[in-house]
Amino acid sequence: GAVVSQHPSWVICKSGTSVKIECRSLDFQATTMFWYRQFPKQSLMLMATSNEGSKATYEQGVEKDKFLINHASLTLSTLTVTSAHPEDSSFYICSARDVGHYVQYFGPGTRLLVL
Amino acid sequence: TQLLEQSPQFLSIQEGENLTVYCNSSSVFSSLQWYRQEPGEGPVLLVTVVTGGEVKKLKRLTFQFGDARKDSSLHITAAQPGDTGLYLCAGRRSGGSNYKLTFGKGTLLTVNP
Repeated sequence: GAVVSQHPSWVICKSGTSVKIECRSLDFQATTMFWYRQFPKQSLMLMATSNEGSKATYEQGVEKDKFLINHASLTLSTLTVTSAHPEDSSFYICSARDVGHYVQYFGPGTRLLVL
Repeated sequence: TQLLEQSPQFLSIQEGENLTVYCNSSSVFSSLQWYRQEPGEGPVLLVTVVTGGEVKKLKRLTFQFGDARKDSSLHITAAQPGDTGLYLCAGRRSGGSNYKLTFGKGTLLTVNP
């Protein structure tokens, strides 16, 4: 149980284009989902917290207009990187919290490379 | 200032050796979790500790939560090459909202055969 999937697992795009990453909780309902960014051999940096049916809460320094988050249902959240630039290249990981619990379950991550 | 200080940051040992990873803070956490992450994958939850002084064992891994719920440790006995990975501690602060986790910087463990 408690499986979280991400799609795509990796994506290469041209500078200036937008990329959408999906995060799904497969066997549980997730009131809250989290989006993280991770650089090689470093820890996870929380970008934003998304609650189903409401606006996401962004961490300080994260541009909300650049990283659009939508949490339209209890099993799906999306992160759209708009007008991507090479410096946006990173490993993006989502996590989901099961309703009534505090433990977060992580997706397998999405590797983004912007050329 | 890092809220959760994790040490050591890098650790390279030989198969069969023991090791301990520490996670310290000046803040109190209502729960603390340990994750293991392999390259190119998401973190996998190893354990959650909730009660001060709690000790949990997972095969060769022993996890402790400090009495004051400000620190935790992970001890691995007789490490194996399969234990290689990035170990992350993450805590949920007492009174924190929205179930946010605060992560340590991680410990990159390499176990050489």
